[in-house]
Amino acid sequence: GAVVSQHPSWVICKSGTSVKIECRSLDFQATTMFWYRQFPKQSLMLMATSNEGSKATYEQGVEKDKFLINHASLTLSTLTVTSAHPEDSSFYICSARLAGGGYEQYFGPGTRLTVT
Amino acid sequence: SQQGEEDPQALSIQEGENATMNCSYKTSINNLQWYRQNSGRGLVHLILIRSNEREKHSGRLRVTLDTSKKSSSLLITASRAADTASYFCATDFTGANSKLTFGKGITLSVRP
Repeated sequence: GAVVSQHPSWVICKSGTSVKIECRSLDFQATTMFWYRQFPKQSLMLMATSNEGSKATYEQGVEKDKFLINHASLTLSTLTVTSAHPEDSSFYICSARLAGGGYEQYFGPGTRLTVT
Repeated sequence: SQQGEEDPQALSIQEGENATMNCSYKTSINNLQWYRQNSGRGLVHLILIRSNEREKHSGRLRVTLDTSKKSSSLLITASRAADTASYFCATDFTGANSKLTFGKGITLSVRP
């Protein structure tokens, strides 16, 4: 149980285009989902916390107009990287916390974004 | 800013040996969690220890927490080559709207 999927698993896009990444909790409902980015050989940096039905809470330094987050249902959150640039190339990972559950977060497999 | 700091940053051991990884943090926490990440993959939750707990076991894993020293350790006993991965500690702060803050991670290599 507690499986989180991400789609796509990898994507290559041209500079200036937008990319949408989906995060789904497959067998549970998640009122809260989190989006992280990870550069090679570095730790995960929290970008934003996404609550179903409300606006995401962004961490300091993360541009909310560039990284659009939508949490439209209890099983789906999306991250859209708008007007992507090469410096946005990274590994994006989402996680979900069980609705009414404990503190554990269940992570998706990640999406590798490469902007050329 | 990063909350958890693991040490060592890299650890290489022989299969069958025990691996001990340490994590220190700076502020009060609600709980501390350990995760594993295989190269290029997502994270797998290993174990959670609450601030009022001192030790927890799960299979070959043993986690300790010393809130007075703001530190935790993860012990993997009888390591296997399949344990090769990066290990992260993550702290969950006290208070509402809790979120995880990850340390820099430890790269564990288990030689067969």
